[in-house]
Amino acid sequence: AQKITQTQPGMFVQEKEAVTLDCTYDTSDPSYGLFWYKQPSSGEMIFLIYQGSYDQQNATEGRYSLNFQKARKSANLVISASQLGDSAMYFCAMREVSGGSNYKLTFGKGTLLTVNP
Amino acid sequence: DAGVIQSPRHEVTEMGQEVTLRCKPISGHNSLFWYRQTMMRGLELLIYFNNNVPIDDSGMPEDRFSAKMPNASFSTLKIQPSEPRDSAVYFCASSFLAGGSDTQYFGPGTRLTVL
Repeated sequence: AQKITQTQPGMFVQEKEAVTLDCTYDTSDPSYGLFWYKQPSSGEMIFLIYQGSYDQQNATEGRYSLNFQKARKSANLVISASQLGDSAMYFCAMREVSGGSNYKLTFGKGTLLTVNP
Repeated sequence: DAGVIQSPRHEVTEMGQEVTLRCKPISGHNSLFWYRQTMMRGLELLIYFNNNVPIDDSGMPEDRFSAKMPNASFSTLKIQPSEPRDSAVYFCASSFLAGGSDTQYFGPGTRLTVL
């Protein structure tokens, strides 16, 4: 079973609008971390935002926010006021704290976001 | 501050040759990770080190792959002999593991092509 599911292979958004990229996860560990990374066409992996499983507030970093719904096991990324430079592949990832591979990040398959002018 | 540094950025080699990829983690980080990214398999963890010690190498595909971390500021991933199916982008990432947000920061990657 997939641990990280990103159901949207591709998304389109108009410049200056907000967009939500979906991510659901599967874990039985009570302590875990959720991350979003951006991979532009140049290929580098850029860290965007982190949410810990015990965090009470949804994480925010500038135009990025994470809509964390623990009971539903979802961690959707919201990008406000989209810019052309936001066009990229976006990966959701989960780090489980307990178990043998404490610090292993499991990545989803990604969502390709295209921002239209 | 310098991020994770990888070299070379691009490598083209012929089947059967030895390939060595290099990584310098962010200063002060105590963990280092090697990933491989392909279209078919996405991003997969090959091996990670904590305090220079290999902790989990279950992702290393086969004995042709080996990784070392002789000190806190340098790691290598070696493929010997290389095969065309090893063609991929190889990322190195580092983090400081102390609980909380142990965010992994990635290097620019090495694009490997094995002919």
